[in-house]
Amino acid sequence: DAGVTQSPTHLIKTRGQQVTLRCSPKSGHDTVSWYQQALGQGPQFIFQYYEEEERQRGNFPDRFSGHQFPNYSSELNVNALLLGDSALYLCASSFANEQFFGPGTRLTVL
Amino acid sequence: GNSVTQMEGPVTLSEEAFLTINCTYTATGYPSLFWYVQYPGEGLQLLLKATKADDKGSNKGFEATYRKETTSFHLEKGSVQVSDSAVYFCAHHSGGGADGLTFGKGTHLIIQP
Repeated sequence: DAGVTQSPTHLIKTRGQQVTLRCSPKSGHDTVSWYQQALGQGPQFIFQYYEEEERQRGNFPDRFSGHQFPNYSSELNVNALLLGDSALYLCASSFANEQFFGPGTRLTVL
Repeated sequence: GNSVTQMEGPVTLSEEAFLTINCTYTATGYPSLFWYVQYPGEGLQLLLKATKADDKGSNKGFEATYRKETTSFHLEKGSVQVSDSAVYFCAHHSGGGADGLTFGKGTHLIIQP
């Protein structure tokens, strides 16, 4: 079992650009959640997808959007990047009560 | 609102010392509680969990007991090792898997030989 995988590993963008991050869930998992982890902080919940719909959303602006595909994989899109969007973006997949995290994508905005 | 407060680090201990990392939470309903660990350069790994009051989660010598009366979920280990050096996060969600996790800021643990 490959576990949760994310791509790319690292990404550098400039202010105002747009970025797409990708996540493949653990085999058998149908729910994907995204988190933002700023340096030295705990992860902050962005949103959760289930059955290709956004089921719950944290306190993030509309610049953050997502998608879930029929195979349960997911994308996180961030538009109009700000310097403050620099962070580690974590994807977690779950089937019941337990979330399994991927290694994350490190986004740097210059 | 929902929140998690955990002791700030870094916490530095000698090998074989006793470890306690405090965690308290605020939440609506009856949340499930978790401890995650993040080793350098790696993603989050679930260390242990408890889903109802008075449950004790345990794994790899670590333990934490769900205390509803004090809204706490303190992490303990009787004898730490150098390999336990990592960042530890306390977290909760309100159950059913539909809610995102709420995390504390993390506690950096450093174990010296």
